[in-house]
Amino acid sequence: GAGVSQSPSNKVTEKGKDVELRCDPISGHTALYWYRQSLGQGLEFLIYFQGNSAPDKSGLPSDRFSAERTGGSVSTLTIQRTQQEDSAVYLCASSLDDPEGFSFGPGTRLTVL
Amino acid sequence: AQTVTQSQPEMSVQEAETVTLSCTYDTSESNYYLFWYKQPPSRQMILVIRQEAYKQQNATENRFSVNFQKAAKSFSLKISDSQLGDTAMYFCAFITNSGYALNFGKGTSLLVTP
Repeated sequence: GAGVSQSPSNKVTEKGKDVELRCDPISGHTALYWYRQSLGQGLEFLIYFQGNSAPDKSGLPSDRFSAERTGGSVSTLTIQRTQQEDSAVYLCASSLDDPEGFSFGPGTRLTVL
Repeated sequence: AQTVTQSQPEMSVQEAETVTLSCTYDTSESNYYLFWYKQPPSRQMILVIRQEAYKQQNATENRFSVNFQKAAKSFSLKISDSQLGDTAMYFCAFITNSGYALNFGKGTSLLVTP
């Protein structure tokens, strides 16, 4: 079946602009995660959605970052007033809330000029 | 705090040789799962191998095997008969039974040379 997809694959934006990154999880996966991968760093947890429960936003680095998940499926990560330090690869993952069943998307590389 | 430490930022190995990547982690919980992920230049995270903490037997997947030392909180990955396609970033990660997010190390960049 289809895996996790993300769009766009690459995004170049100017400092101060807003960007939206999209994630389409595997159909039926109830859990969805966003991670940020900065150069030379591991994966930094950003946010977690599980079904219809309130999301865990504890990893969002600032109030410029927000995310939503519509209908328990597609998720959008929005970064407002982008800064150069926001440049990174943003990875989305989904699972059946099974610790062994994470599936990752190919990521969106964000470059803020 | 739950942390993962990969002490080798970069490693190199010749084709057909064996290489071991190190990983240590810290958690106060006793039930958890450990993983090694591979990330080639395509950015796609690929699960290489996983280990349940309650299992004493080390996991093996073809050329990939782990040395899991629970008391030492160590989880190293051994790649045998290295191939050029093994060139990638390798991330060690774990998740506890009470948690829901994977905790990742900073990764080890592995280069396999002819």
